[in-house]
Amino acid sequence: AQSVAQPEDQVNVAEGNPLTVKCTYSVSGNPYLFWYVQYPNRGLQFLLKYITGDNLVKGSYGFEAEFNKSQTSFHLKKPSALVSDSALYFCAVRPPSGGSYIPTFGRGTSLIVHP
Amino acid sequence: GAGVSQSPSNKVTEKGKDVELRCDPISGHTALYWYRQRLGQGLEFLIYFQGNSAPDKSGLPSDRFSAERTGESVSTLTIQRTQQEDSAVYLCASSPTSGISYEQYFGPGTRLTVT
Repeated sequence: AQSVAQPEDQVNVAEGNPLTVKCTYSVSGNPYLFWYVQYPNRGLQFLLKYITGDNLVKGSYGFEAEFNKSQTSFHLKKPSALVSDSALYFCAVRPPSGGSYIPTFGRGTSLIVHP
Repeated sequence: GAGVSQSPSNKVTEKGKDVELRCDPISGHTALYWYRQRLGQGLEFLIYFQGNSAPDKSGLPSDRFSAERTGESVSTLTIQRTQQEDSAVYLCASSPTSGISYEQYFGPGTRLTVT
């Protein structure tokens, strides 16, 4: 069975500082990994994904994530946080071919960027 | 282009009543998912449709929940004899093909309140 862990319920960071939102996963084989963001009273919005290739993936709004197979992690990062980045962030995993088409989502991490 | 739309955006119903929630996926998207998101919680998978294949209903919490999809278009989620614990935001998402590398596109959700 596949699983995703987001160990932090909340991350606080000052505007202009770098941010990291952590995600670890468990899946058989090579995973397909995704990050989504949810702004208040909105649906989830796709940020970026890792399928294959370069371990560093760049996405929307200046976010990036690094796939680390040995640590089974896919942490979301941004060099300089903005107050407008404050939102709920979800990590998701899907197994490669032959597995379920249903992704497993983490519980979400609330990012709060202070002015 | 148009994204995933859901209606109604908000629904307040009395305990014991039936409700029907609607999802219009992005045109051409063959895969459609329903999720439930309780306040402060992550996403709970409910049901998955892929083209004309039999849906994966493994996430439906009880037989009060059912869903239908007409071909590759509109889907409706029906909750019969609603209970207070059904109060949540119900999210719909679609994906362009059955390819599991594809990200999901989410609608804004329907907020259901059972009084």
